[in-house]
Amino acid sequence: GNSVTQMEGPVTLSEEAFLTINCTYTATGYPSLFWYVQYPGEGLQLLLKATKADDKGSNKGFEATYRKETTSFHLEKGSVQVSDSAVYFCALRGTGNQFYFGTGTSLTVIP
Amino acid sequence: EAGVAQSPRYKIIEKRQSVAFWCNPISGHATLYWYQQILGQGPKLLIQFQNNGVVDDSQLPKDRFSAERLKGVDSTLKIQPAKLEDSAVYLCASSQQVQETQYFGPGTRLLVL
Repeated sequence: GNSVTQMEGPVTLSEEAFLTINCTYTATGYPSLFWYVQYPGEGLQLLLKATKADDKGSNKGFEATYRKETTSFHLEKGSVQVSDSAVYFCALRGTGNQFYFGTGTSLTVIP
Repeated sequence: EAGVAQSPRYKIIEKRQSVAFWCNPISGHATLYWYQQILGQGPKLLIQFQNNGVVDDSQLPKDRFSAERLKGVDSTLKIQPAKLEDSAVYLCASSQQVQETQYFGPGTRLLVL
């Protein structure tokens, strides 16, 4: 079946630190992969996506590369800001178009 | 462009009572989704509509949950009767078509006592 496993949080970083949030997946077929972000008090927003192996999604300084050989889609950012404090969800869309979300990783960036 | 609207934002009920949530998707979006997000977990799809037809309701507990999208625009999700384990945030999302980007509403936080 389809599932997503995310790095457990919470994660606390100082401003300008490097961020990695690990995400691995199990899927039948060739899923599309997503990172969503939820800022405090707001709804989920799409951060980036990749639809096939070796694709790199990027947005707002965040990047993630679809690695089929390691079934991973790790989220990275070179220099985090206080405004990046949020909960990050990794997700996949399976061949049946159903979405499967990870449990979320809470990130707090301190000045 | 207005986003996905949901109401109410918060609801507290006692177990065995019934409750209904409303969602108005982004104008022109054909696909509408209802998710349940239990604290500490990721969202879980309950039901997906394409216009006014159900595409997927395999994870909807049909003995107590029901949903409709009669005119293919706004949608209502109902729980009757509610159980303690239904305490969660209920998220509505919409997309132009099935494989397009989903846009989420702010959610309705339900507490069942």
